[in-house]
Amino acid sequence: GQSLEQPSEVTAVEGAIVQINCTYQTSGFYGLSWYQQHDGGAPTFLSYNGLDGLEETGRFSSFLSRSDSYGYLLLQELQMKDSASYFCAVRGRSNYQLIWGAGTKLIIKP
Amino acid sequence: DAGVIQSPRHEVTEMGQEVTLRCKPISGHDYLFWYRQTMMRGLELLIYFNNNVPIDDSGMPEDRFSAKMPNASFSTLKIQPSEPRDSAVYFCASRRTGGDEKLFFGSGTQLSVL
Repeated sequence: GQSLEQPSEVTAVEGAIVQINCTYQTSGFYGLSWYQQHDGGAPTFLSYNGLDGLEETGRFSSFLSRSDSYGYLLLQELQMKDSASYFCAVRGRSNYQLIWGAGTKLIIKP
Repeated sequence: DAGVIQSPRHEVTEMGQEVTLRCKPISGHDYLFWYRQTMMRGLELLIYFNNNVPIDDSGMPEDRFSAKMPNASFSTLKIQPSEPRDSAVYFCASRRTGGDEKLFFGSGTQLSVL
């Protein structure tokens, strides 16, 4: 079967750095995406990795290792507004259909 | 751009009633996806369209669910008859072929079936 594993909850302190891991098992692989969802809101796109390595967008970075079927989202200089759920999603085929992880709830303490 | 527009924002109905959810994708996007989100099951893909044609509806729970996309700027998801277990947030999302990998979500419809 196809699955994505990510921690259900992560707690960090404001101003700190946190890493959210995602491991995947899919029949094909075209890329790994990350989405942020605040309570009561819609998922919003954060980043995408199609190739191995690190992609940086401001305070957020995402990493991919295709040989390890593994990726992570790194959030730096945490702010209270970063409290949200973070989803990894894999595009397993060329038809843009995504396979979603269950989400990681990030709790930030002052 | 106004983004993906969904209506209604909230819907409360009684079991057995018909429910119709509406979605207007971003202009120029040729893929449209309907998702359902619950605490127990997370984000589930129900059906998606490419150029108004349904491509994969294997996620549609049962025959009570149907979706249409009569043109590039409008899609509906219908539940008839509705049941309490259909209570969830329903999201519509769109994207365009090629370009970057962004999937744009609407604000969702919170459906409560009593």
